[in-house]
Amino acid sequence: SQTIHQWPATLVQPVGSPLSLECTVEGTSNPNLYWYRQAAGRGLQLLFYSVGIGQISSEVPQNLSASRPQDRQFILSSKKLLLSDSGFYLCAWRSQSNTEAFFGQGTRLTVV
Amino acid sequence: AQSVTQPDIHITVSEGASLELRCNYSYGATPYLFWYVQSPGQGLQLLLKYFSGDTLVQGIKGFEAEFKRSQSSFNLRKPSVHWSDAAEYFCAVGAKVNYGGSQGNLIFGKGTKLSVKP
Repeated sequence: SQTIHQWPATLVQPVGSPLSLECTVEGTSNPNLYWYRQAAGRGLQLLFYSVGIGQISSEVPQNLSASRPQDRQFILSSKKLLLSDSGFYLCAWRSQSNTEAFFGQGTRLTVV
Repeated sequence: AQSVTQPDIHITVSEGASLELRCNYSYGATPYLFWYVQSPGQGLQLLLKYFSGDTLVQGIKGFEAEFKRSQSSFNLRKPSVHWSDAAEYFCAVGAKVNYGGSQGNLIFGKGTKLSVKP
């Protein structure tokens, strides 16, 4: 069966520090991968998506970047965090054989 | 523009009462429609989905939803709410992955928070 792992679950980082959030998928190949950010009362905002290794598309300009070094690995990064980067980050995947998206458990990022 | 509207930010119902959460969408192609539930600090769990066929779909935990194309709606219902249903509910719309150039990303509403009174 397919599973998705996302870590860490919680992270507190000072302003100006780097960030690396990791997401891995098991049990499927060549999935589409997505990073969403969730802010209270604003639903889920798509940040990045990837249709294959090394292929990243950004939906909104921001202080973050994403990479896909392996088929089932998706990384969200920042060189210097801003206070406004605080939020709940969710990784998700979809494949052509599934209609729905499957989500990780999320990372609560607090920038202080 | 593609969008999902959940007009109710917060709903409170008594345990055992019926529930209906509203969802309206705007989407250019034939949509795939979803309802997800999120407990505090957790990821999203799929409740049910619609992509074709019978417009009344059954999901987990006793939930159902009805797709009404003429009204661009996909409302979620439950005949008798349990205290454990307290959570935030998200409606989402999307296309099939790689259909018409779609990358398969889902568009979400802003969510409806459900509180359940004992």
